[in-house]
Amino acid sequence: SYELTQPPSVSVSPGQTATITCSGDRLGDKYASWYQQRPGQSPVLVIYQDTKRPSGIPERFSGSNSGNTATLTISGTQALDEADYYCQAWGSSTVVFGGGTKLIVL
Amino acid sequence: EVQLGESGGGLVQPGGSLRLSCAASGFTFGIYWMTWVRQAPGKGLEWVANINQEGSQKYYVDSVKGRFTISRDNAKNSVFLQLNNVRPEDRAVYYCARDRYDNSHYFDYWGQGTLVTVSS
Repeated sequence: SYELTQPPSVSVSPGQTATITCSGDRLGDKYASWYQQRPGQSPVLVIYQDTKRPSGIPERFSGSNSGNTATLTISGTQALDEADYYCQAWGSSTVVFGGGTKLIVL
Repeated sequence: EVQLGESGGGLVQPGGSLRLSCAASGFTFGIYWMTWVRQAPGKGLEWVANINQEGSQKYYVDSVKGRFTISRDNAKNSVFLQLNNVRPEDRAVYYCARDRYDNSHYFDYWGQGTLVTVSS
């Protein structure tokens, strides 16, 4: 079965750039999406189709996808960006989520 | 405003059954795929099943095939998940989400979730 691998945690200082990776076999041949989940809340879509931001998502969120790795980049990270982030892809009629990355802003 | 509201969660015994419902509003329900995603306590997200607009295409994660059934009622703007032969590992918060199928599947609106607890 297809798997997506994310680092368990990423730390970043306020105002700096956070980079969260998502690895999967030939992931660049698929579309990747990213979700933010704050504690006790439902997930929120922040990036879809590799690079697109839904309405209402700040411009500091961006995405890329090439080769075996999709990347979520948060520029000028703010304290309110501290959350769990999940990548997601679809293929062979199956949806797969990565294991999630806890973004720590300190 | 798009709204999704899950209900039907609760305590179920191993081997038992439960039917989850998700009521949608604020968009034309019948033209969208819908999805169920679950999250075990303290764990990550796991996609469970999705269904196309007419209900003619249904897909499931391997771990629930033959036990869970997704369905929808477009007249009632609702999607359902029937859980049969429930196992302890099915304990989770179950979210319904609007499923955007556009050369891929992604989920742009989520409900608040409903908790399923499995215990004897």
